[in-house]
Amino acid sequence: NAGVTQTPKFQVLKTGQSMTLQCAQDMNHEYMSWYRQDPGMGLRLIHYSVGAGITDQGEVPNGYNVSRSTTEDFPLRLLSAAPSQTSVYFCASSRDGRSNYGYTFGSGTRLTVV
Amino acid sequence: TQLLEQSPQFLSIQEGENLTVYCNSSSVFSSLQWYRQEPGEGPVLLVTVVTGGEVKKLKRLTFQFGDARKDSSLHITAAQPGDTGLYLCAGAKRDYKLSFGAGTTVTVRA
Repeated sequence: NAGVTQTPKFQVLKTGQSMTLQCAQDMNHEYMSWYRQDPGMGLRLIHYSVGAGITDQGEVPNGYNVSRSTTEDFPLRLLSAAPSQTSVYFCASSRDGRSNYGYTFGSGTRLTVV
Repeated sequence: TQLLEQSPQFLSIQEGENLTVYCNSSSVFSSLQWYRQEPGEGPVLLVTVVTGGEVKKLKRLTFQFGDARKDSSLHITAAQPGDTGLYLCAGAKRDYKLSFGAGTTVTVRA
């Protein structure tokens, strides 16, 4: 029972580099999302998807891209890393994302941009 | 500005004491979720409350959803060191965007 798997666990990037954070779930959940967690600010929604081929912006989407070609995978792309993107990133999935079903989170990717 | 305000931000108590964490908002939510997060891990769902005035119990944890569905509380009875962690509340509306509070760090000393 893998749940939500995120890779890598840790990453250091130089300013201007690009990279992709991977997220995969094996629960056949329609809804997937990406959050970033910063001290004192809780979790902030970056992008989300309600199903394959459908994505939308969250609260803090600038500097990030997503796509959802399959139900299982929802990668997050950093186009040109900036120090302000230093954070812990969490991928989460849910049966439908609307209300009563809780989210299952991955264990996170700690990203440092220098 | 946080949509959900949690208080207190930090809480340190002795084993066996009780504690309450509050989650308040001016917005109405269709449901309120509580998560616990341990260092280096993702949040883990504890409970979802849906109906105004609803009370749910999970062993020594009691969760309440306000009558107007704008606030919630988490009460832990006879806290144990294993209850130590970051407690997060999250409000759901019908727009696919779950909003989180900043969290309450609970430390239970043995």
